[in-house]
Amino acid sequence: GENVEQHPSTLSVQEGDSAVIKCTYSDSASNYFPWYKQELGKGPQLIIDIRSNVGEKKDQRIAVTLNKTAKHFSLHITETQPEDSAVYFCAALGETGANNLFFGTGTRLTVIP
Amino acid sequence: DTEVTQTPKHLVMGMTNKKSLKCEQHMGHRAMYWYKQKAKKPPELMFVYSYEKLSINESVPSRFSPECPNSSLLNLHLHALQPEDSALYLCASSPRLAGGYEQYFGPGTRLTVT
Repeated sequence: GENVEQHPSTLSVQEGDSAVIKCTYSDSASNYFPWYKQELGKGPQLIIDIRSNVGEKKDQRIAVTLNKTAKHFSLHITETQPEDSAVYFCAALGETGANNLFFGTGTRLTVIP
Repeated sequence: DTEVTQTPKHLVMGMTNKKSLKCEQHMGHRAMYWYKQKAKKPPELMFVYSYEKLSINESVPSRFSPECPNSSLLNLHLHALQPEDSALYLCASSPRLAGGYEQYFGPGTRLTVT
C-alpha cells in the first residue's frame, strides 16, 4: 500500500514569515494529494488539494507543489498569521477505485505573534 | 455548504454499554466514511460506504458495527468496547467513491471508554 512521510513534525515561525511542509509518497500510481488543517478539538478541514496532472496550485496565501518524478509534494503558507497555528496533514490517494486516503503523520505549526 | 455534522460531541461509556454515534450530511454525497483518530496521530480509516452499501471494512473488530440507513446518514454502533478504543471518531463524506474526490470531515465524537 501507499506510505506517506511528512516533515517536519513541528514547525515554529514568526508571524508574517513563510512556512513549508513537505511530504513524500511511495506509490507512483497515487494521483490525488489533499492537505488538511486540524485545529484543537475539531475535525480535519480540507484546505487545498492537487491532482497529478498539475504541478502547482495556489489559493490566496496557500500553495501546493507536486513533483511526480520525485514523488513529493509540499504545502507553502505565506504571510503566516496566528490563526494558521494548527496540525497539518498531507495525504495521498492511490488509484485503486476506492477513495482511500493515506495520511502523513502531521506537522504541528505554531505561528508566534 | 460542506458541512458534516456528528452527534454526540462527547461520549463516555462503560465497557458493557451499547451506544451509537451519528453522522449526517446534506451535500448529496454518495460516499461516507468512519475514521478513528488517536491523540497526535493521523486519522485511520475504519469503514467506507458507497451508495449506502459497505465498500471497505479495514479489519475493524466486530464490537464496531456501521450502518448507513440512507444516503445522508451514517451510524456507528458500539458494544463491549475496550479502554484502548477511546479516541476521536470522525465521519467524512465525498461526492463519490472512486476518482479522488474531496473528503469533508465532521467535527468528530470524542469517545472515552471507562
